[in-house]
Amino acid sequence: EAGVTQSPTHLIKTRGQQATLRCSPISGHTSVYWYQQALGLGLQFLLWYDEGEERNRGNFPPRFSGRQFPNYSSELNVNALELEDSALYLCASSPGSTGPSGANVLTFGAGSRLTVL
Amino acid sequence: AQSVTQLGSHVSVSEGALVLLRCNYSSSVPPYLFWYVQYPNQGLQLLLKYTSAATLVKGINGFEAEFKKSETSFHLTKPSAHMSDAAEYFCAVGSYSSASKIIFGSGTRLSIRP
Repeated sequence: EAGVTQSPTHLIKTRGQQATLRCSPISGHTSVYWYQQALGLGLQFLLWYDEGEERNRGNFPPRFSGRQFPNYSSELNVNALELEDSALYLCASSPGSTGPSGANVLTFGAGSRLTVL
Repeated sequence: AQSVTQLGSHVSVSEGALVLLRCNYSSSVPPYLFWYVQYPNQGLQLLLKYTSAATLVKGINGFEAEFKKSETSFHLTKPSAHMSDAAEYFCAVGSYSSASKIIFGSGTRLSIRP
């Protein structure tokens, strides 16, 4: 069974440009989470999609946006890139439970490393 | 609001010694608590999960964690460290709500000395 796959592995952009990162969840998983892992800051919650809808959003500016497609894959868009957006962006998926979402076990991809010059 | 605090960004122990990684949480409702491990150039993988069934939770690779409500702690331990345990460890919290996000701590890098 394929795990969570993310593309591209590495991406280099310049300030002001836009970046698009993609994520394919594990087959059968309906929830997709995005996290930013900047150096020394741990994982910062960005976005959570379930069944095509945005369910929760972290404390990030609106230039961070995303969507989830009917096949449950997802993309994260970062507009007007700033130097501090340089980070590893991790995508995770979960089955999407009928119980409390706080109990969801996340399966992570290896990440997309975004470098902004 | 939920949060987790991991005490110590870097912990170094000798091979065969006790591993203790500290995590304190804050949650206004009963929490779900997790420990994840991240090896170099890989995504995170689940070590163990607390869901109120038992306060002492056993995970993979010989790790375990104990939920202590009075101390709002969920520390991770392993009796005897192995070189392969060198990695970054993250504590995380989720809550019993309909749209709970899962919040991660800042991580603790574990180094093992030969």
